[in-house]
Amino acid sequence: QKEVEQDPGPLSVPEGAIVSLNCTYSNSAFQYFMWYRQYSRKGPELLMYTYSSGNKEDGRFTAQVDKSSKYISLFIRDSQPSDSATYLCAMSAKTGGFKTIFGAGTRLFVKA
Amino acid sequence: EAQVTQNPRYLITVTGKKLTVTCSQNMNHEYMSWYRQDPGLGLRQIYYSMNVEVTDKGDVPEGYKVSRKEKRNFPLILESPSPNQTSLYFCASSATLTSSYNEQFFGPGTRLTVL
Repeated sequence: QKEVEQDPGPLSVPEGAIVSLNCTYSNSAFQYFMWYRQYSRKGPELLMYTYSSGNKEDGRFTAQVDKSSKYISLFIRDSQPSDSATYLCAMSAKTGGFKTIFGAGTRLFVKA
Repeated sequence: EAQVTQNPRYLITVTGKKLTVTCSQNMNHEYMSWYRQDPGLGLRQIYYSMNVEVTDKGDVPEGYKVSRKEKRNFPLILESPSPNQTSLYFCASSATLTSSYNEQFFGPGTRLTVL
């Protein structure tokens, strides 16, 4: 079983839709949860990070962590064609020296 | 501009022909890492370096070598490439690995095809 599971998609939505991207994980030691966005032919860029459980909001993006269920989500409100990219969840723990484990990434298409 | 650069961006080679992919960062970061990205498998770490002359294996180190002689550079060496090393490779750097979280800055990627 992979430490981090992420549905690869692709996920196709119309412009303006609310998008929900999710990851599950098995290692209860994970404390830091990140979302990276990767445009085609580019390297990943950090979009948001969250520590432990709870929500974090940044503009149209909301990151949620439910440690009891080992489940994290990224919500995108009012999705735009420019949001079309691959979204990778990532996690790390102090044990293991903060090594980052990445999900496989979900490819998102937002249609105009 | 703060960035991680990689060269070459695209490379087609043949089995057994030694190659080097260069990586350089201008942010004075201590930590550097190499990943490969394959469909359905995500980013898998090949090697990482905590500082100059300090390197260690990641999850998939077989067939690869690295060196860290200068803080800014972290080349990836394939001594005898094989077709199963065909992949998209990313170099990444971050200020440190011992802080609360570790934002990594990625290079643009190197697409390698081994025939």
